Amino acid sequence: DAKTTQPPSMDCAEGRAANLPCNHSTISGNEYVYWYRQIHSQGPQYIIHGLKNNETNEMASLIITEDRKSSTLILPHATLRDTAVYYCIVRVAGDSSYKLIFGSGTRLLVRP
Amino acid sequence: DGGITQSPKYLFRKEGQNVTLSCEQNLNHDAMYWYRQDPGQGLRLIYYSQIVNDFQKGDIAEGYSVSREKKESFPLTVTSAQKNPTAFYLCASSSLGGGSYEQYFGPGTRLTVT
Repeated sequence: DAKTTQPPSMDCAEGRAANLPCNHSTISGNEYVYWYRQIHSQGPQYIIHGLKNNETNEMASLIITEDRKSSTLILPHATLRDTAVYYCIVRVAGDSSYKLIFGSGTRLLVRP
Repeated sequence: DGGITQSPKYLFRKEGQNVTLSCEQNLNHDAMYWYRQDPGQGLRLIYYSQIVNDFQKGDIAEGYSVSREKKESFPLTVTSAQKNPTAFYLCASSSLGGGSYEQYFGPGTRLTVT
């Protein structure tokens, strides 16, 4: 089972910020939070990851709460091409497979 | 260009036939993975490999087999024992150093078995 909880769907207007929440209340101290997205019929694309500090890259920002039980992915200026399913994943620690457990994700629709 | 290639993009087979899906990477990654995705669902891990000539079962390995004879290649065979083989199959790779281990995915192969 996925260790994260995400809303099934969200929408935002083009040009506005998209804020995608994720709950991971059972996260362990050495587990990272990863975000991927999957555009229809394509392979998932890595977006960003973090441990406890906020992170930013050219695609998005990741805000992790101080207790690490939740996080928010921020797309600062959403475009129509950001319409996709967004997956929040906690990497399983202590498991040498380094596998990612994908839940159902959040389907983000960016409206014109 | 560095990346992961999967071929073919679409594959059709008759029930009872084995079929092999190709996955090649030129990222020099040690680890490779196979996932299965059914409509409206997340990805589920089939097999993974961290080193040449070694691989481990994932969560849904029954009816599948893999080999890892070369670092850059990790083919997946869907055997006739797999009861519901029609799905979208995704291959991924990652490095095993540095602590973050993000996985990079190929474009996928959509397999239809009738």
